[in-house]
Amino acid sequence: DIQMTQSPSSLSASVGDRVTITCRASQSISSYLNWYQQKPGKAPKLLIYAASSLQSGVPSRFSGSGSGTDFTLTISSLQPEDFATYYCQQSYSTPHSTFGPGTKVDIK
Amino acid sequence: EVQLVESGGGLVQPGGSLRLSCAASGFTFSDHYMDWVRQAPGKGLEWVGRTRNKANSYTTEYAASVKGRFTISRDDSKNSLYLQMNSLKTEDTAVYYCASSAYGGNSAAFDIWGQGTMVTVSS
Repeated sequence: DIQMTQSPSSLSASVGDRVTITCRASQSISSYLNWYQQKPGKAPKLLIYAASSLQSGVPSRFSGSGSGTDFTLTISSLQPEDFATYYCQQSYSTPHSTFGPGTKVDIK
Repeated sequence: EVQLVESGGGLVQPGGSLRLSCAASGFTFSDHYMDWVRQAPGKGLEWVGRTRNKANSYTTEYAASVKGRFTISRDDSKNSLYLQMNSLKTEDTAVYYCASSAYGGNSAAFDIWGQGTMVTVSS
């Protein structure tokens, strides 16, 4: 199985901050990497697919980059509604996709 | 409006069975591969399994943790997806989501999610 790790596991940031979350795969997954946002009690929401493609309706302050084993999700200017947990997901071994453990972003 | 609505969750004893349902609307359900994803309390997301569409013979695949105990099925005439869970263990306690990708084919970029249904396995 392909293992996914994320760093940091949590971070505190202020509105307007630039935030970067890293995701690493245990083997090369090309660009088969998706990012989700999840708020408490809600289903995950797809933000980025294929490593860098912005899902329709998602604000442009979200961006993704990377390929192979190392990926990043960047929020260029953190907004109040962005405080949530973020998960990466590899879809290289679809349908046996695996998710990272999550990064919780909370208010400093 | 594209929508998935799960039902059927509840409290069940270890070793018991439960059947979850997922009702789809707002998209051509019969064309889509459909997946189940779960989330244990306070934990991350875990893919559970997938059923493909008629064109791909409704074939199914499962995570190793549930293979042989869980069965996914679908009824395209009712726009419904099912998850039959047998021999339940305490570690199956989770919110169960049905999910799908509008990107079609073999994509696992899930942009369609239900609200989830809670399954608690406890004596």
